[in-house]
Amino acid sequence: GAVVSQHPSWVICKSGTSVKIECRSLDFQATTMFWYRQFPKQSLMLMATSNEGSKATYEQGVEKDKFLINHASLTLSTLTVTSAHPEDSSFYICSARDIGAEAFFGQGTRLTVV
Amino acid sequence: AQSVSQHNHHVILSEAASLELGCNYSYGGTVNLFWYVQYPGQHLQLLLKYFSGDPLVKGIKGFEAEFIKSKFSFNLRKPSVQWSDTAEYFCAVLGTGANNLFFGTGTRLTVIP
Repeated sequence: GAVVSQHPSWVICKSGTSVKIECRSLDFQATTMFWYRQFPKQSLMLMATSNEGSKATYEQGVEKDKFLINHASLTLSTLTVTSAHPEDSSFYICSARDIGAEAFFGQGTRLTVV
Repeated sequence: AQSVSQHNHHVILSEAASLELGCNYSYGGTVNLFWYVQYPGQHLQLLLKYFSGDPLVKGIKGFEAEFIKSKFSFNLRKPSVQWSDTAEYFCAVLGTGANNLFFGTGTRLTVIP
């Protein structure tokens, strides 16, 4: 299947700093990418849908000024957690869909804010 | 609105036991259904998917799932589990016309050797 690469896989940052997470589709072009957040023992919660060349669509309750999403090309989307706080610590997962509706997932990024 | 329910939060089985994980969805239209697996420390991988046709779908590693439209269900089954099946299993639904997958809360499967 197609490959989605997410980087970094683990990051620790100080409270108040910003962290950027990259999501790349390696062997297909993804016009749409998705960003999820996964809390311990819970399901994936969709944060936003990222469309190449346009503004991301955020789910209700997700602060768009805090979670900045950029989808500048067909193979790269980035999520920047701005002014991170300990409550932002979580597992963030990106996903990209091909034309067959199957979604491929990155390996996830575990963010710890101290 | 779409929603997915997985009622089994944690299932513990001995090797060679049979497995069935429940998945029920809610959506007022045609759906595509998926089961994903997340092995410890790894990313989500597709086990199987249903788009149309035969409601009994066979996936990788001996897994299968049956779509029962009247029950809005898509249960995952495996006749004989192995220790290597220990993982988190997620059911997901994509409604026709929708753009993103909705996931269930996941079921943690622990297989005891």
